[in-house]
Amino acid sequence: NAGVTQTPKFQVLKTGQSMTLQCAQDMNHNSMYWYRQDPGMGLRLIYYSASEGTTDKGEVPNGYNVSRLNKREFSLRLESAAPSQTSVYFCASSVNRAGNQPQHFGDGTRLSIL
Amino acid sequence: KNQVEQSPQSLIILEGKNCTLQCNYTVSPFSNLRWYKQDTGRGPVSLTIMTFSENTKSNGRYTATLDADTKQSSLHITASQLSDSASYICVVGRMDSSYKLIFGSGTRLLVRP
Repeated sequence: NAGVTQTPKFQVLKTGQSMTLQCAQDMNHNSMYWYRQDPGMGLRLIYYSASEGTTDKGEVPNGYNVSRLNKREFSLRLESAAPSQTSVYFCASSVNRAGNQPQHFGDGTRLSIL
Repeated sequence: KNQVEQSPQSLIILEGKNCTLQCNYTVSPFSNLRWYKQDTGRGPVSLTIMTFSENTKSNGRYTATLDADTKQSSLHITASQLSDSASYICVVGRMDSSYKLIFGSGTRLLVRP
């Protein structure tokens, strides 16, 4: 039972390069999320997808784009990476966005922008 | 402003001892309060979720309490084990159309033998 799987686990980019972070869940969840975690700060929501076919901005969407490819997969794209985007990125999923359902997290992608 | 404050920032205890972590919040309207455990290099894992009508919820040696009047929560760990070494994150959900979750910055716990 894999849960939420993120790839890659580590990545180093140069400023201006682009890349896509992949996320897949096998729990048949409707809602998926992308967060970033920076030292000394709580997780911040970048984008979310409440259900297949929909995406919405979170707190810190600038510099990112997302695609909900199907019910299982939700990708995060950095079009032109900047040093300020150095962070640990977590994908999460839940049964639905509303209510008191727990979010299940992947183990993160550690991204460094030089 | 919607905020979640956790204390202490870090804590060191001896194996077998109990400890209590604190969470104060100013989130409104309140929907639920969650505690997550995050091991180093891993994603957060849900421990408990409480709504405003719940005062306490347990998950094994972890017991969370909620006082919605004072907007405080605590996480009590009983008979600590080395595997309890982790960051513990308090998260508060808003009861509105945003369903937004506000994350605290966590308490880092180290259990020493």
